[in-house]
Amino acid sequence: NAGVTQTPKFQVLKTGQSMTLQCAQDMNHEYMSWYRQDPGMGLRLIHYSVGAGITDQGEVPNGYNVSRSTTEDFPLRLLSAAPSQTSVYFCASSQGTLNTEAFFGQGTRLTVV
Amino acid sequence: AQSVTQLGSHVSVSEGALVLLRCNYSSSVPPYLFWYVQYPNQGLQLLLKYTSAATLVKGINGFEAEFKKSETSFHLTKPSAHMSDAAEYFCAVSDRSYIPTFGRGTSLIVHP
Repeated sequence: NAGVTQTPKFQVLKTGQSMTLQCAQDMNHEYMSWYRQDPGMGLRLIHYSVGAGITDQGEVPNGYNVSRSTTEDFPLRLLSAAPSQTSVYFCASSQGTLNTEAFFGQGTRLTVV
Repeated sequence: AQSVTQLGSHVSVSEGALVLLRCNYSSSVPPYLFWYVQYPNQGLQLLLKYTSAATLVKGINGFEAEFKKSETSFHLTKPSAHMSDAAEYFCAVSDRSYIPTFGRGTSLIVHP
């Protein structure tokens, strides 16, 4: 049972480059979200989706794009990487009811130089 | 708007001592509250959750948490710390948005 799968696990980018962080889940969850984790800041919500074709911004959306063409996949795109986007990124999915927990991927550690 | 505050970015205990990690929430509606644990270089996993069925919630690895509405708190405890409990712990709250809001995390350090 794979759960939530993120690729790649590690990535180094140069300033200005673009890339896509992949996230896939096999639990048929409607809700998916992207967080970034920075020391002392906890997890901050970047973007989320409540179903295929529906996305919305979270707390820190600037510099990131998302799309949700299928229930399973929710990629995060960095349009023009900046050093401030150096972080650990987590994808999560949930059933979309109040009493159910989120399931997390293993994270992508991104460094922008 | 919902939010959680975790008091103390680091908590240090000796092996065998009581663990107490504090979480206070703010929510305009009755909240659903969660504690997650993150071991080094891993994603978050659920420790326990409060869903209004009982105010004292038992989770995995001997952890439990008590929901106190009057204090807007959901503190996490464990009677006796083990070295393997060393990790980052996050409190989270969900309300109508269904997307959880996380606290800043508390790093638990366990000394031999």
